[in-house]
This record gives sequence, C-alpha cells and structure tokens, in this order.
Amino acid sequence: EAGVAQSPRYKIIEKRQSVAFWCNPISGHATLYWYQQILGQGPKLLIQFQNNGVVDDSQLPKDRFSAERLKGVDSTLKIQPAKLEDSAVYLCASTPQLGYTFGSGTRLTVV
Amino acid sequence: AQTVTQSQPEMSVQEAETVTLSCTYDTSESDYYLFWYKQPPSRQMILVIRQEAYKQQNATENRFSVNFQKAAKSFSLKISDSQLGDAAMYFCAYRRGGAQKLVFGQGTRLTINP
Repeated sequence: EAGVAQSPRYKIIEKRQSVAFWCNPISGHATLYWYQQILGQGPKLLIQFQNNGVVDDSQLPKDRFSAERLKGVDSTLKIQPAKLEDSAVYLCASTPQLGYTFGSGTRLTVV
Repeated sequence: AQTVTQSQPEMSVQEAETVTLSCTYDTSESDYYLFWYKQPPSRQMILVIRQEAYKQQNATENRFSVNFQKAAKSFSLKISDSQLGDAAMYFCAYRRGGAQKLVFGQGTRLTINP
C-alpha cells in the first residue's frame, strides 16, 4: 500500500510571498487532514476534509491560508501572503476511520 | 477544549534500559482514544500504541506498553529494552470518540545512549 505523498519536501520563501503544498492521500481514504507543526511543538489541525467537503477549518487562518480537495482525492494547501510565523512543518494525513497515516511533511521556512 | 500535556521536554536512557514517558490529558468526555506517536528525523508520524478509554486493560505492543490511569487522566508510555532506533520525538495524542481530529501534546525528545 502506497503511503501519503507530500511535496515539496522543503520550501524556502520570503515573507509576503505565496506558497502551495500538495498532498496525495492513500487511495480510498475519505478523510484528509492538514496539520501545522511549529518547531518544538506538537502538530495542530488546520483543516479536515471528508471527501471533498470541509469538516473542520476552525483553526485555519482564513485571511491567508486556503485549502481545497478537488474530486475528494488529492489536496493543496496555500499560504498567501506568508508571514515569518508560518515557518513550520506542514503534515498531511488520511484515514478511513481510526488509523491515521501521515505523510513526511513539507518543511517551510519563511525568511 | 481537550488538552494534552507532556511535562518532559527531553529524556535520555541507556541502551537496553527501560524508560517511561509521561502524558496527562484533560477531557470531560467518556468516549475517547489515546495514542503515542513516534516522529523520527524523517518527520513522518508513526503510531506506536493506541488505547481505547473504555478498555481497562493497558495496551501492549512488543517492547512498548502504557499505564492508563483513567481517573487521574494519565497515559504514560513505557519502553523496555531501549534500542538505538527508538531515539525520536514522542507525542501523546487524544481523539474524542465520534470525531477524528487528533490533539497532540508538546512532545518528548528521547535520546538513547549506547
């Protein structure tokens, strides 16, 4: 079984620039999550999708972050414009029910 | 809101020894699940062990076991016969029954000394 694929693995941008991350979950997993993990902290949920609908985006800074999951498969997370405090690892995960499978994340550095 | 607290930012242990990582949580729910995840430098979160709150028996997976104290809202992880490959960040996480969002603690960095 293929895992959760994420790209790019690393990204360095200047503040106020835009950036996008991509996630391809495990085939058949209806639920997809984006987590933000700031250095030295545990991951925090940004957004949860069920198929192509949003279940929970209460912690997503909607003035600068957006996410979509077209056709209920892969997903993109965008930041525009980026701030220094957005430097973090962005983890994608998918699950059919109880068991999570995480991707290896994208490390974003905003300078 | 549910919270998860790991009070040990760093722990170290000699290879082949036993180490215990602490976790406490706060919830008013009766139906929930608790997890320990391992995060090596590759950044991928790997499930170590899972405990259902309705089960009184502590979960065990090979060298990994938990001490689940429901009344005290405590969920510690014991690693026996520590191996060099166990070195990583360990995160305690909570999930409310019926929901799927994981709430993570701050993590504990475990170092294994040869």
